[in-house]
Amino acid sequence: QVQLVQSGAEVKKPGASVKVSCKASGYTFTSFDINWVRQAPGQGLEWMGWMNPDSGNTGYAQKFQGRVTMTRTTAINTAYMELSSLTSEDTAVYYCLRKEFGLVKGVGDYWGQGTLVTVSS
Amino acid sequence: QTVVTQEPSLTVSPGGTVTLTCASSTGAVTSGYYPNWFQQKPGQPPRALIYSTANRRSWTPARFSGSLLGGKAALTLSGVQPEDEADYYCLLFHGGAWVFGGGTKLTVL
Repeated sequence: QVQLVQSGAEVKKPGASVKVSCKASGYTFTSFDINWVRQAPGQGLEWMGWMNPDSGNTGYAQKFQGRVTMTRTTAINTAYMELSSLTSEDTAVYYCLRKEFGLVKGVGDYWGQGTLVTVSS
Repeated sequence: QTVVTQEPSLTVSPGGTVTLTCASSTGAVTSGYYPNWFQQKPGQPPRALIYSTANRRSWTPARFSGSLLGGKAALTLSGVQPEDEADYYCLLFHGGAWVFGGGTKLTVL
């Protein structure tokens, strides 16, 4: 069965960086994009960007450009999202999700369990 | 920067019908925005319901239907069940990026 398993909760100080991992299983890792979405406490969902695990190509939401980096290690079917220059406003649950290539088949048929990142001095 | 707007909250009676909408600040929502809909219950990741306007996922009950209505994307729940109480989010593609709506809190009462 398809699974996306994310790394555990993190606590970071303002100005630091965080790197969240997302390990895929149950399907061919390089055949689907990985997207990242975050949700601040009590707030809505916010799309951050996408990565093609096959090519390594990425696309980021304008808000996060220059501060987010999405990468992968295909040998272990794992995607990563690194966010730098953290502030308290980055406190959120971060989700990875799978997406078929292209637009027609939709986004997020499978999601990771979420990783809580807390930014606090 | 595209802003996507949903009703903040709606209430429906069990067995009733309710329509949630999703509007874009860029103008009328068309099929080219590839609307997606998600359901989220407390403490859980979102679950995909609808993609490309009206296509149900294999696990989406038939009482959920997607459409375009009056320049907006719409999600209609017919024969609402108590377990449908949740937050619902739409997601639109525009200008090379995906943008979520603010979400609708659906109460079944």
